[in-house]
Parts: sequence; C-alpha cells; structure tokens
Amino acid sequence: GQQVMQIPQYQHVQEGEDFTTYCNSSTTLSNIQWYKQRPGGHPVFLIQLVKSGEVKKQKRLTFQFGEAKKNSSLHITATQTTDVGTYFCAGPRTGGFKTIFGAGTRLFVKA
Amino acid sequence: NAGVTQTPKFQVLKTGQSMTLQCAQDMNHEYMSWYRQDPGMGLRLIHYSVGAGITDQGEVPNGYNVSRSTTEDFPLRLLSAAPSQTSVYFCASSSSKLRSGSSTNEQFFGPGTRLTVL
Repeated sequence: GQQVMQIPQYQHVQEGEDFTTYCNSSTTLSNIQWYKQRPGGHPVFLIQLVKSGEVKKQKRLTFQFGEAKKNSSLHITATQTTDVGTYFCAGPRTGGFKTIFGAGTRLFVKA
Repeated sequence: NAGVTQTPKFQVLKTGQSMTLQCAQDMNHEYMSWYRQDPGMGLRLIHYSVGAGITDQGEVPNGYNVSRSTTEDFPLRLLSAAPSQTSVYFCASSSSKLRSGSSTNEQFFGPGTRLTVL
C-alpha cells in the first residue's frame, strides 16, 4: 500500500549545526505538508508544497519538493534549542479525503 | 477562537470499559478527523468526516466508533477498551477536504488525549 518514509528517525545536533530530514513517498504526491510537534504538544502545520521542484523558505527553514513529487526535505540552518521536536511530512492518500503521515524525525538540540 | 478542543487530557481505563473522547472546533470546518499516535509510527487515521452526518473509516478503525451530528463536534467512542488502544489521540479539523487538488490541506490539531488501558 501507499507509504511515506522519513529518515532519519532521530538526530542529535549541537546548537548551531544544520539539520535535514528527508521524506520519501511510494507514490507521486499532488502536494506535501510539513508539521512540527514540540515534546508533549500537538502537531502544528508549517507549510504546504505543491509544485514540482518547489523551494520555500521560512527564516532558517528551507523546504523542497522533488522534481518527481515523490520526495521532499526540510533543512534547518544553524539549529537553536527552540527547534527541538518531531518533524512530520504528510500527503494526500490516493482516493482523497485522507492524509498519510510519515513516522517523523525527532530532533534533539544540545546547547 | 478556541480552535480545536479535546477532553479529557488524560484517561486511564480498565480493559473492557467504554468511553467517549470529545472533540470540538469553532472554525466552521467541514472536515474533521481522529488520529492515534504511537511511538515510532507517526499519526494513523482512525476515522474522518467530511461534513455533518458523513463519516468514514481511516487506516485503523477497529474498536472505534464516530458520529458527526453537528459541524462543531466529532466524538470518538471506544467500545470495549483494550491495552492495544493505549495511545495519544489527536482530533484535527480542516477547511479543505484534503483532496489532491485542494489549495491547502492544513489540518489544525487539538491538544490530544493521553489514554492508558490497563
């Protein structure tokens, strides 16, 4: 069945280092969303990408959607302790009305 | 706006008990959904609704019932709790129906209910 894989499962970085998480879908996605969940919190929408090859930036965060619309990445430049949490990618399930989430990448930032 | 609210925040049940997790939104969203979150497995869709009176199953519907009598409320019922249902439950709503052509598929999540079944 349709799958969305995320790597790595978790990553430890020193504050100031960069961080990247990758999302790979078994099927072509019409769009992809990224969410952030702080420890003990709930997922919060960050962004949606729609176009093939699209790149969007939000301050230190850079989001990319692959040319084939089957993969995506989130890159954080110069991580801060406020970046800790789990980052999820998500996309529409084939057939509509449903979203499939990746398992998430948990980021730990050491000050 | 309160956004998406969920009650209770925490719940402990014994095997075989039933209960209802409450979810409400005040954004007039047509789409609402229930997810469970287990370590290392991300968010898995239990049930969803595209409007009042319309519900459908997600990936892991067994052991759960839903109803949608109003736009605002989308309760999740556990019929006979089992230890495998120990999880964190999130309710979410969206202004879109999460179709491929939607201009935005943003979902707004509630704070979650942490459920333990003994």
